[in-house]
Amino acid sequence: GENVEQHPSTLSVQEGDSAVIKCTYSDSASNYFPWYKQELGKRPQLIIDIRSNVGEKKDQRIAVTLNKTAKHFSLHITETQPEDSAVYFCAASPRKIKAAGNKLTFGGGTRVLVKP
Amino acid sequence: DTEVTQTPKHLVMGMTNKKSLKCEQHMGHRAMYWYKQKAKKPPELMFVYSYEKLSINESVPSRFSPECPNSSLLNLHLHALQPEDSALYLCASSQVGLPINEQFFGPGTRLTVL
Repeated sequence: GENVEQHPSTLSVQEGDSAVIKCTYSDSASNYFPWYKQELGKRPQLIIDIRSNVGEKKDQRIAVTLNKTAKHFSLHITETQPEDSAVYFCAASPRKIKAAGNKLTFGGGTRVLVKP
Repeated sequence: DTEVTQTPKHLVMGMTNKKSLKCEQHMGHRAMYWYKQKAKKPPELMFVYSYEKLSINESVPSRFSPECPNSSLLNLHLHALQPEDSALYLCASSQVGLPINEQFFGPGTRLTVL
């Protein structure tokens, strides 16, 4: 089955600096890579996703890059703000089996702390 | 309505109790999921329902019994649980079909087994 590794496990940055989180996956059949943000005591919420036919995607201060050959993808947050403090999870999902739902395998998570 | 709701928010049960967790969505999604999340760990997939039929069971012990009575509701029936089953139980839903769609998560039920 799929295995997703995520680094670093904790990341402390100064407000205004950039944060980078990296993930690797093992299953070459994976073709959907979402990133979820989970604040303390809250539900995971999708912040950005990328599909295997795209190498990079950007949404305001957040960007994700995907290298299919190397099987890794990264999250970049620029101009970090205190409200960016949370746990971030990467995930991977294989090409969907017809009508079978969507199986997500999550990385171990990165606890990001943005210091004011 | 763009939310997944879950009840109860908190549940404390003994090892001999029977209880149920409930999940509801009104986004027209035909795939629904149960995840288990231990503290400081990622969500782990337990079950996937697609068109109200169980499509994935990640080798979950039989003391957890899922049920999807209709396209908006998902239940998780609990019986004879162990203390190590204490965790946050998250429900999620998504559309079915290609391309793969975002999973929307509910707020979770925090379960404590005594």
